[in-house]
Amino acid sequence: GEDVEQSLFLSVREGDSSVINCTYTDSSSTYLYWYKQEPGAGLQLLTYIFSNMDMKQDQRLTVLLNKKDKHLSLRIADTQTGDSAIYFCAESRSGYALNFGKGTSLLVTP
Amino acid sequence: NAGVTQTPKFQVLKTGQSMTLQCAQDMNHNSMYWYRQDPGMGLRLIYYSASEGTTDKGEVPNGYNVSRLNKREFSLRLESAAPSQTSVYFCASEDRTPRYFGPGTRLTVL
Repeated sequence: GEDVEQSLFLSVREGDSSVINCTYTDSSSTYLYWYKQEPGAGLQLLTYIFSNMDMKQDQRLTVLLNKKDKHLSLRIADTQTGDSAIYFCAESRSGYALNFGKGTSLLVTP
Repeated sequence: NAGVTQTPKFQVLKTGQSMTLQCAQDMNHNSMYWYRQDPGMGLRLIYYSASEGTTDKGEVPNGYNVSRLNKREFSLRLESAAPSQTSVYFCASEDRTPRYFGPGTRLTVL
């Protein structure tokens, strides 16, 4: 099947904003998700957005959705060292499929 | 609420051995899923259960069987383990949206 694309790595300094980008494939996707995975741990749901929304904000997290370009982004304000992790974008498909990107490794340096 | 729990956390098997991975959720969700995560491959769906009493194949079902024991529990069985099944296995549950994941089982097949 077609892939959800994410850049592999991102490095930011503590206190800066991080922006993680994702392009998805299915224009009929209903929901788009961001999950966080710390080393050796499971996937933690960070936030999700319904496809009829353009933006969703939740404390330090802002999700932007551009349906025309099939582009999703996650902005983390005031990035902390505890935000270092792998971030996965996922799109819902028909039926029960949830199509994941390969993840973006975020490194936050002091 | 414990959310989604998985046992065991770690397991080492020899080729040809069998084992069952256990998953339980306490969120009264109808749908449950088994994924595997491999480096560079992202998450791939093995099997899912849309509701109690039903199971369906996902993207990579070969070598696995599942049982939806009741609404809470969904187990994954490897009848004859192979080295290619070395992976991290995640269970997830959902009721419409979003999908919540368990902490994972790290399986090594020698």
